[in-house]
Amino acid sequence: DAGITQSPRHKVTETGTPVTLRCHQTENHRYMYWYRQDPGHGLRLIHYSYGVKDTDKGEVSDGYSVSRSKTEDFLLTLESATSSQTSVYFCAISQSPGTLNGYTFGSGTRLTVV
Amino acid sequence: GQQLNQSPQSMFIQEGEDVSMNCTSSSIFNTWLWYKQDPGEGPVLLIALYKAGELTSNGRLTAQFGITRKDSFLNISASIPSDVGIYFCAGLNYGGSQGNLIFGKGTKLSVKP
Repeated sequence: DAGITQSPRHKVTETGTPVTLRCHQTENHRYMYWYRQDPGHGLRLIHYSYGVKDTDKGEVSDGYSVSRSKTEDFLLTLESATSSQTSVYFCAISQSPGTLNGYTFGSGTRLTVV
Repeated sequence: GQQLNQSPQSMFIQEGEDVSMNCTSSSIFNTWLWYKQDPGEGPVLLIALYKAGELTSNGRLTAQFGITRKDSFLNISASIPSDVGIYFCAGLNYGGSQGNLIFGKGTKLSVKP
């Protein structure tokens, strides 16, 4: 295993509540990413980080914020969860954007907003 | 933004048959990657392609990077039940400090034992 852990693995929350998902890596990789996976849409990038406190938006960033205070942790926060944010969330890591082996993914967090 | 068109969306095949899926884009990519996702897990890299025209094999899997750099295909020979899953193509362009994978929507493979 590449040393990437997502928590929690499953979560059910109510509309309007804040939710934070955690991605933890032990590989000391510089780059970390958050994707969401939905039927018919594949994997879409939410936010990514290219270093501690360095983050940028992806394709579907509205309603999400991220923070990276340490190399090993990348947090994804839904400030006020909505039903449209029900999805499976994947974290990924890479040594560099052009790394020869692409990205390594975590096992995902299944989030249900009711 | 950049998009990848992956086909077919799903396929049922008989065990032992060969499988072919492909990915096309209107944009050029520097790298093409193929991932497989098992139920309840994250995608796992199968094959990476770095040069136009490159043909690479990994066991029963063979993938090619199209000459135009706008397409790629993945073949699976002699399919077996554990080939079941979702296969994603992904294109990567990188420059400077940033570069992000763009994913196709996936091909769901189901095998009849």
